[in-house]
Amino acid sequence: DTEVTQTPKHLVMGMTNKKSLKCEQHMGHRAMYWYKQKAKKPPELMFVYSYEKLSINESVPSRFSPECPNSSLLNLHLHALQPEDSALYLCASSQGGPQPQHFGDGTRLSIL
Amino acid sequence: AQKVTQAQTEISVVEKEDVTLDCVYETRDTTYYLFWYKQPPSGELVFLIRRNSFDEQNEISGRYSWNFQKSTSSFNFTITASQVVDSAVYFCALYYNYGQNFVFGPGTRLSVLP
Repeated sequence: DTEVTQTPKHLVMGMTNKKSLKCEQHMGHRAMYWYKQKAKKPPELMFVYSYEKLSINESVPSRFSPECPNSSLLNLHLHALQPEDSALYLCASSQGGPQPQHFGDGTRLSIL
Repeated sequence: AQKVTQAQTEISVVEKEDVTLDCVYETRDTTYYLFWYKQPPSGELVFLIRRNSFDEQNEISGRYSWNFQKSTSSFNFTITASQVVDSAVYFCALYYNYGQNFVFGPGTRLSVLP
């Protein structure tokens, strides 16, 4: 079992739907991350939150909207996604900086 | 530019063989950190090791060992007496201070056959 919990594990949605991915950690980590991973590719950083504030946005389209309600929770709100957004979405947390990141199992997202 | 190269896309070995996964990095920072992560089919990335740029000591952890050589900008990973459970994609990653960001290599898919 991982210490970073992501829900749901699988999600299928249409291009007009609105859905949210959730991530939770209880390790007291101050930094949380969203990554997108396509098949047979490395993870690509999307967003970084540090002390509940957005610190890095890697030019992600606005149809992805992150939210950090508190230090333990991280959401990714999805709206009007495209088929090319189908991927594994990974959440991670760490103490920040070069500290090792701890990853969740990911949400496998399919856009119809 | 910050970059991580893993030249081996896929490797297949038979159980109990030793296998080395190569990692070559590029960075102009003098302070940086190198990582190895394992991604089994279940999806989560599992942290294996972190080394900083000032510590070139090699490290051994059970069947795993790492060889860090700044002279060749390499941080190679060796699994001794491989097991089927070692089958996974292995990523080498670089953290550089000024970007405060991680760069992952493309990964090496290791298949250990029984």
